[in-house]
Amino acid sequence: GAVVSQHPSWVICKSGTSVKIECRSLDFQATTMFWYRQFPKQSLMLMATSNEGSKATYEQGVEKDKFLINHASLTLSTLTVTSAHPEDSSFYICSAARQRNSYNSPLHFGNGTRLTVT
Amino acid sequence: GQQVMQIPQYQHVQEGEDFTTYCNSSTTLSNIQWYKQRPGGHPVFLIQLVKSGEVKKQKRLTFQFGEAKKNSSLHITATQTTDVGTYFCARRYSGAGSYQLTFGKGTKLSVIP
Repeated sequence: GAVVSQHPSWVICKSGTSVKIECRSLDFQATTMFWYRQFPKQSLMLMATSNEGSKATYEQGVEKDKFLINHASLTLSTLTVTSAHPEDSSFYICSAARQRNSYNSPLHFGNGTRLTVT
Repeated sequence: GQQVMQIPQYQHVQEGEDFTTYCNSSTTLSNIQWYKQRPGGHPVFLIQLVKSGEVKKQKRLTFQFGEAKKNSSLHITATQTTDVGTYFCARRYSGAGSYQLTFGKGTKLSVIP
């Protein structure tokens, strides 16, 4: 069964509004979660690494003030797209590994959130 | 850098034909992971390769890791319509205090019944 739950699955919002996406690890504690973005017919691009109890680490070119990440607990990370614009429309996916400090552990992905900004 | 190159980008096969996707890196990989993403879905972990020359099989799927650990391949024998999706290779690397995963561009497989 699913080990990472993401909500909502899809959302349509108006330009200028903010949208919050939740990512939960269901049966393990995730001190680190990863947020990816995927545009149509493209690969997954890492946006940021969410760390419980500390600031997120953003990849180059990702605006931290626009994509707010809060890792409130060991099982919950949220991504808020602030002042959304049509170009932010994309598929946002979170993921987590059961074993944080093992490079051999696979990532478990949430079902993703399809964001459409009108 | 940390990227992995994946080819081909698209592959259309007749049901029953074989399919192969290749993943290459300019630097030695400590590991390679393979994921499958169905249309409209999220990536699902398939397998991980760690050892030089490693070969692993999952039913009709065969995964190989090159001797130099710079390339990998996924081969599907006798494709079925359920194999449709995009197959990604990915490498895990150390960054930002944790182990991040970077994906290849993926190979989108279409199977014609």
